[in-house]
Amino acid sequence: QVQLVQSGAEATKPGASVKVSCTASGYTFTRHGISWVRQAPGQGLEWMGWVSPDNGKTNYAQKFKGRVTMTTDTSTATAYMELRSLTSDDSAFYYCARHSGIFFGDNWGQGTLVTVSS
Amino acid sequence: QSALTQPPSVSGSPGQSVTISCTGTSSDVGSYNRVSWYQQPPGTAPKLLIYAVNNRPSGVPDRFSGSKSGSTASLTISGLQTEDEADYYCSSYTTTTTWVFGGGTKLTVL
Repeated sequence: QVQLVQSGAEATKPGASVKVSCTASGYTFTRHGISWVRQAPGQGLEWMGWVSPDNGKTNYAQKFKGRVTMTTDTSTATAYMELRSLTSDDSAFYYCARHSGIFFGDNWGQGTLVTVSS
Repeated sequence: QSALTQPPSVSGSPGQSVTISCTGTSSDVGSYNRVSWYQQPPGTAPKLLIYAVNNRPSGVPDRFSGSKSGSTASLTISGLQTEDEADYYCSSYTTTTTWVFGGGTKLTVL
């Protein structure tokens, strides 16, 4: 069965960077894009961007351009999301979600809690 | 890209039907039939309920249905059950080749 397993919780300081991983199994990794979505505590879902494991192409939400980098490693079927220059507003759960054709989210990672605090 | 507009909360009694609206613009919902709906019980990852406006993934009960008119999409849940109590989010593809979510709707089953 399809599974997306994310890395563990992170605690970091303002100004630092964080890199979250999402390891896929149960399907051909290069055939499905990966989106990253975040959710601050008690808040709604926010789409951050998308990466294609097939060719590395990315598309980021305007809000995160210049501060986020999404990559993949096809040898380990893992997608990565790195967010830089963190502030307390970046404290949130970060989810990866698989694309299928014209939609995404038929499978989700379990979420990674990132806490930014001095 | 502004978030799609959803009502903050809706409620209904077991067995009743509720409809959650998702209003966008001609730059997103109005331009594409690429609207999805997700269900998120507290403390869990979202789950896909509807894709491409009115398609259900396997395993999703037919009590859940989607529709769209112009720039407004809707999710209807019929025969409400207590386990339907959750947050619901819509999303849409946009003309800037990005995706946008709605603000979310909390469903309370009375």
